[in-house]
Amino acid sequence: NIVMTQSPKSMSISVGDRVTMNCKASQNVGNNIAWYQQKPGQSPKLLIYYASNRYTGVPDRFTGGGYGTDFTLTINSVQAEDAAFYYCQRIYNSPLTFGSGTKLEIK
Amino acid sequence: QVTLKESGPGILQPSHTLSLTCSFSGFSLSTYGMGVSWIRQPSGKGLEWLASIWWNGNTYNNPSLKSRLTVSKDTSNNQAFLKVTSVDTADTATYYCAHTLEGAFDYWGQGVMVTVSS
Repeated sequence: NIVMTQSPKSMSISVGDRVTMNCKASQNVGNNIAWYQQKPGQSPKLLIYYASNRYTGVPDRFTGGGYGTDFTLTINSVQAEDAAFYYCQRIYNSPLTFGSGTKLEIK
Repeated sequence: QVTLKESGPGILQPSHTLSLTCSFSGFSLSTYGMGVSWIRQPSGKGLEWLASIWWNGNTYNNPSLKSRLTVSKDTSNNQAFLKVTSVDTADTATYYCAHTLEGAFDYWGQGVMVTVSS
């Protein structure tokens, strides 16, 4: 079964900084990756699909990249409301495996 | 506008079968490409995909739980269902259903908490 490994597990960033988090697939998934944001007490929200496509209404400071096994989610000029957990997920083909998440804290 | 809402028993005993319902609006599970998926999240932990059902009736289950999961749908009433057999405390979690398009979950329900306890 495919394994999605996210790094780092957590990070603490100041408002206005740029942050990049990583997702590594244990096998080639092409561009079949999505990213989600989950804030405490809320359901996850789709941010990025097919590795680099921003979902409707997602601010353009969120950018996804990568192909094959290595993927990134970059947030430019982090805002206080970006504090959350971020999960990558393999899409399109089963199993639709999630990564273990990266916790983003704002200093 | 797409909305989904999960419903379930709240609490159930070990070894019993968990039955969950996802009631949705704003799309039809008979429309080409549409799907509904189930995802769960133990308190303080990450997300785990469980199963998906598609417009054509095809279903896919998480291999780690495959034999315990059954997903089904009632297209006429805009509902999807998940059954998990032989539950134990490890199945305690918030269970979500989500509208699924090409494997991405673009609309989520609010989640329903399920506790397995004797």
